[in-house]
Amino acid sequence: DAKTTQPTSMDCAEGRAANLPCNHSTISGNEYVYWYRQIHSQGPQYIIHGLKNNETNEMASLIITEDRKSSTLILPHATLRDTAVYYCIVRASTNTGNQFYFGTGTSLTVIP
Amino acid sequence: GAVVSQHPSWVICKSGTSVKIECRSLDFQATTMFWYRQFPKQSLMLMATSNEGSKATYEQGVEKDKFLINHASLTLSTLTVTSAHPEDSSFYICSARLTASPLHFGNGTRLTVT
Repeated sequence: DAKTTQPTSMDCAEGRAANLPCNHSTISGNEYVYWYRQIHSQGPQYIIHGLKNNETNEMASLIITEDRKSSTLILPHATLRDTAVYYCIVRASTNTGNQFYFGTGTSLTVIP
Repeated sequence: GAVVSQHPSWVICKSGTSVKIECRSLDFQATTMFWYRQFPKQSLMLMATSNEGSKATYEQGVEKDKFLINHASLTLSTLTVTSAHPEDSSFYICSARLTASPLHFGNGTRLTVT
């Protein structure tokens, strides 16, 4: 079962930073936070992941709070191509091994 | 790197027939592959987890005799929808990973059963 909550939808002006929040208050000490996005009718695309330190790559930055109960994905300069559904996933470890369960995600619309 | 190829990208079949969907990891060996299903305007639902050389583990509520999964090699997994019916029409997505690495997804297969 998904263990994250995200806002259903958000808008962002083109060229501005998009900040997408995620709550994962029941996260365990060894669980990572992963972010993916899905553009309509395509498979999800990996963006970034982290354990407790903030992370940055060419696509985005991930800010994880000190208590690890929430995180924020930051797209520094949103473009129209960033319009997608963004999923925050906490990787659950079970006997059958490390499934990725998707929640409902945030539908981000970048406005010209 | 980490490319997952899924084939076909779309398929239309008649009710009662079976359809096979292939998922390949092109530039890495996938110890684990996952199959998801997504209905319109909904999130991805995990169907099953497969490890190379062993039987797939199905999520609760997913019929293993209807959705046959074969993971014969470290680069290929197949999902066969047997005796397909219109309610099986959906977007099927596979994913693959090495141990302790992010999950990488194929581009999905749109199945329409008429």
